[in-house]
This record gives sequence, structure tokens and C-alpha cells, in this order.
Amino acid sequence: SQQGEEDPQALSIQEGENATMNCSYKTSINNLQWYRQNSGRGLVHLILIRSNEREKHSGRLRVTLDTSKKSSSLLITASRAADTASYFCATNGNNRLAFGKGNQVVVIP
Amino acid sequence: EAGVAQSPRYKIIEKRQSVAFWCNPISGHATLYWYQQILGQGPKLLIQFQNNGVVDDSQLPKDRFSAERLKGVDSTLKIQPAKLEDSAVYLCASSLMGSAGLYTGELFFGEGSRLTVL
Repeated sequence: SQQGEEDPQALSIQEGENATMNCSYKTSINNLQWYRQNSGRGLVHLILIRSNEREKHSGRLRVTLDTSKKSSSLLITASRAADTASYFCATNGNNRLAFGKGNQVVVIP
Repeated sequence: EAGVAQSPRYKIIEKRQSVAFWCNPISGHATLYWYQQILGQGPKLLIQFQNNGVVDDSQLPKDRFSAERLKGVDSTLKIQPAKLEDSAVYLCASSLMGSAGLYTGELFFGEGSRLTVL
């Protein structure tokens, strides 16, 4: 089954810096999504990129998708303390959404 | 717009006991999911409903887990008997059904039900 694998697993940065996370997957997909999860809460959808798209922006978020390498990256620019959370990529193929293990991001004020 | 509602938020039981979780999805969302999230891991799909029919339950441990979605709205997930390894957060999510009845877009998650099995 498809499953995203994020890299790096944990990231600690200063407020104002950029945070980059990568995700790799193994099979073909219809789209790839990124979610955020604050401690003790449910997941919140951030951005979706379709298999025929290469880059997408939403506010301070930038996601790229390279289907030839089966990989995606999420960039958070000008990070804030409120961005401290776990970030998950999820691959959608055959109408199933499979999540990776997640990245823990800590933004130090 | 009301979000996905789940209850209870926390439950502590002893092994071999039973537990049930309830989920009310966003109004109009045809697809409902139950995910299991073990501490430090990503969510793992247990079961996916489309209206009141099961789309995927391939990762549901059917000897102890059961789920239903009566009338295509609310859903319950039951564990009986519980094992220590069932300690996790159980997340319910819902989504709109895309064209041709296929899932296409984002999932909306509830806050989750945290289960501790002692």
C-alpha cells in the first residue's frame, strides 16, 4: 500500500527561519496532501497537490511534487511559534489516503 | 459549519474490556473514515465508509474491532476485547464524495478519542 515517508523526522528552528520537510512514496498517486497536527488535536488539512502539478503555494506554504522521483517537499516560510506541530504527508491513490510517520517541527520564539 | 464530533475524548479501560467510540461527521459528507494513531506514528486507516457501505476494511482487526454506520450518518467503532496494543488515539474523519463517487479531496478530522488500555 502507498505510504508517505517524511524526512527529516524532527526539526527545531528559530522563529523567522524557513522549515523544509520531505516526503517519499512508492506507488502512483492521484494527489498528495499535507496535514498539520497540534499536540493532542486532530489533523488539519494544509494543502493538496495533484499528480499533474509540480508546485503549489498557499500563504506561507509551498509544496512541490516530483512524480518521477516519487517525492514531495513542504516549505514553511518565515516560521512562527504557532507553526510548532507535527506535519504529515498523505498519498491518495485508488481512493485511499495513506499517511506517513510525520515530522515534528518545533519553532523556538 | 460544525466540524466532526467525536466522543468520548478520553477512555481508560482494562484489557479484555470493551469500549465504543462515536463519530458524527460533517453534514453532507458521504465518506467517513476511522483511523488509529499510535503515539509517535501517523494515522492508519481502519475502515472507510461511503454512505452506509464499507469501502475498505482491510486493516481492521475483525476479530476484535467492529464498526457500523447506520443510515449513512453517525458511526460507532467498537473494540471487544481490548488489548494493551490498542492504546492509541482513534480519529474519525469525513470528506465529500467527488465525481463518479470517488474520493478526491481533503479530509476533515475530529479531535480524536484517546484510549488507554491497562
